[in-house]
Amino acid sequence: GQNIDQPTEMTATEGAIVQINCTYQTSGFNGLFWYQQHAGEAPTFLSYNVLDGLEEKGRFSSFLSRSKGYSYLLLKELQMKDSASYLCAVSDSNYQLIWGAGTKLIIKP
Amino acid sequence: SQTIHQWPATLVQPVGSPLSLECTVEGTSNPNLYWYRQAAGRGLQLLFYSVGIGQISSEVPQNLSASRPQDRQFILSSKKLLLSDSGFYLCAWSALDSGANVLTFGAGSRLTVL
Repeated sequence: GQNIDQPTEMTATEGAIVQINCTYQTSGFNGLFWYQQHAGEAPTFLSYNVLDGLEEKGRFSSFLSRSKGYSYLLLKELQMKDSASYLCAVSDSNYQLIWGAGTKLIIKP
Repeated sequence: SQTIHQWPATLVQPVGSPLSLECTVEGTSNPNLYWYRQAAGRGLQLLFYSVGIGQISSEVPQNLSASRPQDRQFILSSKKLLLSDSGFYLCAWSALDSGANVLTFGAGSRLTVL
């Protein structure tokens, strides 16, 4: 079966750095996505990785290792507004998205 | 620019009543359209997707149905709601033939079935 694993919840301090991991087992791979979802709102796209390596976008970076079935989202200089759930999703061989349950990130002052 | 509208935002319905959620996309043609449901603590569950007018693929057998009467309109319906239909429903679109398949979501509809 297809599976996406990510931690349920993480806590970090304002101004610090946090890394949210995602491991996947899917039938085929056509890219990995990270979305941010604030409570009660819709998910919004953060990043897309299809090749191994690090993609940097401002305070957020996303890393992919296809051989290990592993990705992480790195958030730097954390702000209170970063408190949200972060969803990992993998596009399988049919370009269908397989979603993780999301990681709830709590930022403390 | 493209925008996606979804309504109603919130609704409370009794068991056995009908349901209609509507979604429209502006600023693009022939989008892929999706209906997802999100239950607390669980990943997004794809309910239906459509690659064109009248073309609906169902991912999960249940008492829900979807229709695409126009290119940029996607409707989620039920004739008789169940308690288990409660959840957060999200409409989304993506560009056709997009390898990256980035989804843009509507604001969501929170359904409570009592």
